[in-house]
Amino acid sequence: EPEVTQTPSHQVTQMGQEVILRCVPISNHLYFYWYRQILGQKVEFLVSFYNNEISEKSEIFDDQFSVERPDGSNFTLKIRSTKLEDSAMYFCASTPGGSYGYTFGSGTRLTVV
Amino acid sequence: AQSVTQLDSHVSVSEGTPVLLRCNYSSSYSPSLFWYVQHPNKGLQLLLKYTSAATLVKGINGFEAEFKKSETSFHLTKPSAHMSDAAEYFCVVSDSLFSGGYNKLIFGAGTRLAVHP
Repeated sequence: EPEVTQTPSHQVTQMGQEVILRCVPISNHLYFYWYRQILGQKVEFLVSFYNNEISEKSEIFDDQFSVERPDGSNFTLKIRSTKLEDSAMYFCASTPGGSYGYTFGSGTRLTVV
Repeated sequence: AQSVTQLDSHVSVSEGTPVLLRCNYSSSYSPSLFWYVQHPNKGLQLLLKYTSAATLVKGINGFEAEFKKSETSFHLTKPSAHMSDAAEYFCVVSDSLFSGGYNKLIFGAGTRLAVHP
């Protein structure tokens, strides 16, 4: 069964450093998303991406965050200057649209120290 | 605005007994509703989805959910729990003007299911 692949599975970074979280969505999917889950809290929407542009973003997704689909297969989330409160599990998801469900990756656990 | 309330943060059952995980939603439009499961250190796996077709939805691993519009509920059930069902379960609504598709998901807080021998 097709999968959404996320790398790395765990990343530790120092506060103020830039990080890039990588995702390979399912190849025929059209809509891409990033969500995050701070330990012990709800899964929260960050951003949705369609047709090479952001279609919606949450208030969490400020100027420190950006997304890219550089080569038609990868979908990346960049955090320019990480803060301690960015520590969370980040999930990538994709869907072909219509009445299909969303497929999530296994997540990247980001730890900011 | 759409929202999801999972009524129990923890549910504990014995193996072989029924499972009931409760979920209520709030939606201005005809919602799409999902249940996802997360096993420890794993990603989010889709169990089942409701997108305005049959109100009783069957999913993987013997799980079912019934959409009840009058009660704004979408409770998840399984007749007989298995040890491998122990996980975190999320009720999710699609924040969408249209059923299904492409808009963001709104997650409930999750219910941790424990299954005892």
